[in-house]
Amino acid sequence: SQQGEEDPQALSIQEGENATMNCSYKTSINNLQWYRQNSGRGLVHLILIRSNEREKHSGRLRVTLDTSKKSSSLLITASRAADTASYFCATAPLGSSNTGKLIFGQGTTLQVKP
Amino acid sequence: DADVTQTPRNRITKTGKRIMLECSQTKGHDRMYWYRQDPGLGLRLIYYSFDVKDINKGEISDGYSVSRQAQAKFSLSLESAIPNQTALYFCATSDTTGYGNQPQHFGDGTRLSIL
Repeated sequence: SQQGEEDPQALSIQEGENATMNCSYKTSINNLQWYRQNSGRGLVHLILIRSNEREKHSGRLRVTLDTSKKSSSLLITASRAADTASYFCATAPLGSSNTGKLIFGQGTTLQVKP
Repeated sequence: DADVTQTPRNRITKTGKRIMLECSQTKGHDRMYWYRQDPGLGLRLIYYSFDVKDINKGEISDGYSVSRQAQAKFSLSLESAIPNQTALYFCATSDTTGYGNQPQHFGDGTRLSIL
């Protein structure tokens, strides 16, 4: 069963605008991770936020985590055409650290128009 | 060279055929995973392995088998392929050091079509 539900499923913006993607999940977690997938390629890890963290930054990426609402958001600021990709959240369920398992959402497809 | 290499990248085959997808890694990670990706369903875990002697079923293991030949090699087999196994297949690895579930590192996938 899928843990993460992502919203929106698709997003189209102009270059320079900000893009926000949301992820909701069902069970308690160790951490939550965001990945990017370019067309025809494998997933690439972007950022990891632990369950005791509320916000994390990496370059133009800002991730928030609200464990009380079981939700996370990924904000990409000043988007570029090269940010066009699918973005996935992945949750590490509580108690799964000995397996390393992640549960992936269905993803948000982002198109950034030049 | 890529850290996680999958072969073949594309494969078209017929129903009932046996197929093996291969994955090799140079990252030195103990944990390896096989996923399938279908449109609108995200990634679903097929099998995972902690080391050569440890193989575990994932969410959707029926119709699949795996072999961990060495720390660096993890292959996925479809014993008798059926059309609903048409999908994009990914291999991934992760480290065991550090706290909690570590980031996973993915190959570029195998696009498998079963006619």
